[in-house]
Amino acid sequence: TQLLEQSPQFLSIQEGENLTVYCNSSSVFSSLQWYRQEPGEGPVLLVTVVTGGEVKKLKRLTFQFGDARKDSSLHITAAQPGDTGLYLCAGARTVNKLVFGAGTILRVKS
Amino acid sequence: EAGVAQSPRYKIIEKRQSVAFWCNPISGHATLYWYQQILGQGPKLLIQFQNNGVVDDSQLPKDRFSAERLKGVDSTLKIQPAKLEDSAVYLCASSSSQTYEQYFGPGTRLTVT
Repeated sequence: TQLLEQSPQFLSIQEGENLTVYCNSSSVFSSLQWYRQEPGEGPVLLVTVVTGGEVKKLKRLTFQFGDARKDSSLHITAAQPGDTGLYLCAGARTVNKLVFGAGTILRVKS
Repeated sequence: EAGVAQSPRYKIIEKRQSVAFWCNPISGHATLYWYQQILGQGPKLLIQFQNNGVVDDSQLPKDRFSAERLKGVDSTLKIQPAKLEDSAVYLCASSSSQTYEQYFGPGTRLTVT
């Protein structure tokens, strides 16, 4: 059973387009993290959200934690080829215990 | 600050052979994790150490997988004997005790033929 469902599984867009990736669960999490993973590398932490309704911005990336702390979204504005990668969400019920979604593969074409 | 180090980066073995992976976490991080990431999936936790003690190994296939962290710093993960379905990337991560954030190494890509 996948605790965290990510959608879409795969996204191919042109440079300059906007996109949103979703991470949904029926479970409540204490925090939710987003990672980006490039081929041949480990996941790199982008952001941690801990408060229901919280919105965090990282340059062109906007992260939101749902009010009920069961879901999250990642929005990228004006995507660039350098944004290409696997985007993983991970939920934590307790400190030091993460459950990962299957990821969204993003490809940005120039 | 140095990141999480792993070696080797790539390994190709035949089924039924054994293999070992090494991980050195970020200095001062008490918690160390080993994950298995099969192509197209997110990382799955195999084992979690707090210092040199095991916190969670519920998803570790103990008939063939073993891991240790004898001095509470670096760690090794062993597979013996390997099966075709063990082909995956093995990721090591570490974190400090009071944070949600985990920091990952580059992983070891294992191919079992």
